[in-house]
Amino acid sequence: GESVGLHLPTLSVQEGDNSIINCAYSNSASDYFIWYKQESGKGPQFIIDIRSNMDKRQGQRVTVLLNKTVKHLSLQIAATQPGDSAVYFCAEKWTDSWGKLQFGAGTQVVVTP
Amino acid sequence: EAQVTQNPRYLITVTGKKLTVTCSQNMNHEYMSWYRQDPGLGLRQIYYSMNVEVTDKGDVPEGYKVSRKEKRNFPLILESPSPNQTSLYFCASSLLAGGEQYFGPGTRLTVT
Repeated sequence: GESVGLHLPTLSVQEGDNSIINCAYSNSASDYFIWYKQESGKGPQFIIDIRSNMDKRQGQRVTVLLNKTVKHLSLQIAATQPGDSAVYFCAEKWTDSWGKLQFGAGTQVVVTP
Repeated sequence: EAQVTQNPRYLITVTGKKLTVTCSQNMNHEYMSWYRQDPGLGLRQIYYSMNVEVTDKGDVPEGYKVSRKEKRNFPLILESPSPNQTSLYFCASSLLAGGEQYFGPGTRLTVT
């Protein structure tokens, strides 16, 4: 079936720089997208979400962009901090599936001093 | 404190020995779900529940059972575990399906 994927498995970012994590999805029927952060030894933690009727949504230091034309999702983290080091997952929900979420494989973000 | 709890956190067992991993949430959430996480494969959904007595299969339900007799609990049952079920398991809940999910701390299962 269709699935969510990520372009880069590992992203190295210098402290203070902005991070951009990308996610490609193939199901044009997806209507809801979520970004999660998973620190080592912990469960995933919600960061931000966006519905398909939006192009952009901002949170605290994070922005999610949705480009439905090319089926692309990105998470931008401003002024990356050491505490941002983690694995980041995007997930999508299909329109006709209230209960099922499809997760990508994840991107490891490493923040260097 | 609002949370999702799982027990046990670590379990080593042998092939064929039935086991149950418990999951409980104290947020009165309707939706609960189980995932397994394997290296390079991300999170894969095993089963989910939209409400009490309502459960449905996720992407990888084979070899697993669930029940939802009470709103707060959603146990994962492995009737006859096999080595390919060695994985890290997460339970999650959300107020409604399709919303922000809260994840438990995970259960590391090893089947020998």
